Amino acid sequence: AQSVTQLGSHVSVSEGALVLLRCNYSSSVPPYLFWYVQYPNQGLQLLLKYTSAATLVKGINGFEAEFKKSETSFHLTKPSAHMSDAAEYFCAVSEMNTGFQKLVFGTGTRLLVSP
Amino acid sequence: GAGVSQSPRYKVAKRGQDVALRCDPISGHVSLFWYQQALGQGPEFLTYFQNEAQLDKSGLPSDRFFAERPEGSVSTLKIQRTQQEDSAVYLCASSAQVLSEQYFGPGTRLTVT
Repeated sequence: AQSVTQLGSHVSVSEGALVLLRCNYSSSVPPYLFWYVQYPNQGLQLLLKYTSAATLVKGINGFEAEFKKSETSFHLTKPSAHMSDAAEYFCAVSEMNTGFQKLVFGTGTRLLVSP
Repeated sequence: GAGVSQSPRYKVAKRGQDVALRCDPISGHVSLFWYQQALGQGPEFLTYFQNEAQLDKSGLPSDRFFAERPEGSVSTLKIQRTQQEDSAVYLCASSAQVLSEQYFGPGTRLTVT
């Protein structure tokens, strides 16, 4: 079965600093990988996804992620953090069971942004 | 346009009570998913519908959990004889086609006392 591991349940950065959220995946087949953001009391919103095209994926709100097969990683980055980026971030991999996209999520990383 | 909506947003149930959680997907979306998110954890897959057909229910924790989507639009997740371990946020997601992006609702927070 596919799985993802997110290193660090909490990451703290200062406003304007680089954001790096780590995700490693386990998959026996080429995976589809996703990053979602969750604001308090809201559902998940898709930030970006990797579907075997370009290895560097650009998403919304200035985020991007790079798929590195040799490292089985899909880390999320943003050059300059903004206060509004404070939220919970989830990495996910999809299992293609019965032809549909079942998402398997990591445990999440809470991003804290200080002024 | 309207996104995925869920009701109620919050539900408190006494242990042993039955509950029903509703999901209104985006109009016309073929696929519908239910996920369970325990406190401090990522969402975990419960079940999947393609139109009215429930194609995968492998994630349902026990036979106390039942989901339906009789007309291929609104879905209901029912939990019978609730237990404390059922306390979680239940998320619904829909997608336009089988392999397209999933749009999530705000969730229903269930607390079993």
